[in-house]
Amino acid sequence: NAGVTQTPKFQVLKTGQSMTLQCAQDMNHEYMSWYRQDPGMGLRLIHYSVGAGITDQGEVPNGYNVSRSTTEDFPLRLLSAAPSQTSVYFCASSTRTRSGNTIYFGEGSWLTVV
Amino acid sequence: EDQVTQSPEALRLQEGESSSLNCSYTVSGLRGLFWYRQDPGKGPEFLFTLYSAGEEKEKERLKATLTKKESFLHITAPKPEDSATYLCAVNSNSGYALNFGKGTSLLVTP
Repeated sequence: NAGVTQTPKFQVLKTGQSMTLQCAQDMNHEYMSWYRQDPGMGLRLIHYSVGAGITDQGEVPNGYNVSRSTTEDFPLRLLSAAPSQTSVYFCASSTRTRSGNTIYFGEGSWLTVV
Repeated sequence: EDQVTQSPEALRLQEGESSSLNCSYTVSGLRGLFWYRQDPGKGPEFLFTLYSAGEEKEKERLKATLTKKESFLHITAPKPEDSATYLCAVNSNSGYALNFGKGTSLLVTP
């Protein structure tokens, strides 16, 4: 997947712990987003950003926090991890051009909350 | 509310046996319909974006088509390496977000 880097790849947390999933893109895309993927649910939008300093909530924002201080980075913070946040998290970035809109995804971060 | 439904949930094909995957959608103003391929343990890999009814795009053995209510991903003479989950998503006038279907898991056997 071109240009979207996520870390860590795998993480195990205890209930109540906090952590940050990192996402960086090198394509100078203005739009970045975070999705979670759960079995039988498909990909669901958590938060998104249309540019540095601008963020908004998606479909399932509760328990997560984001900020966008630079164009390149869009970290996702879990404030107090819960077992329901066990999931695979994908970061995505995109830009709009005259030919349309292509959205690129990172390789994913597997999170287990015990 | 935007809705995306993919069928079938799973499909098993013999190598060389052509078939189609379906993506039905309802949106308030389509800004793009996306097809992705996802391999186990990987992120979705972009395949196509379609913007208007009648549009078609091709890539190797894959061809995506779009009508006002659905999109098809045609797979011609598939090979085992085409085995993956294929995801359909729509972007509507409601914003930048993608609304995904649950995917079709394709298995191509030799």
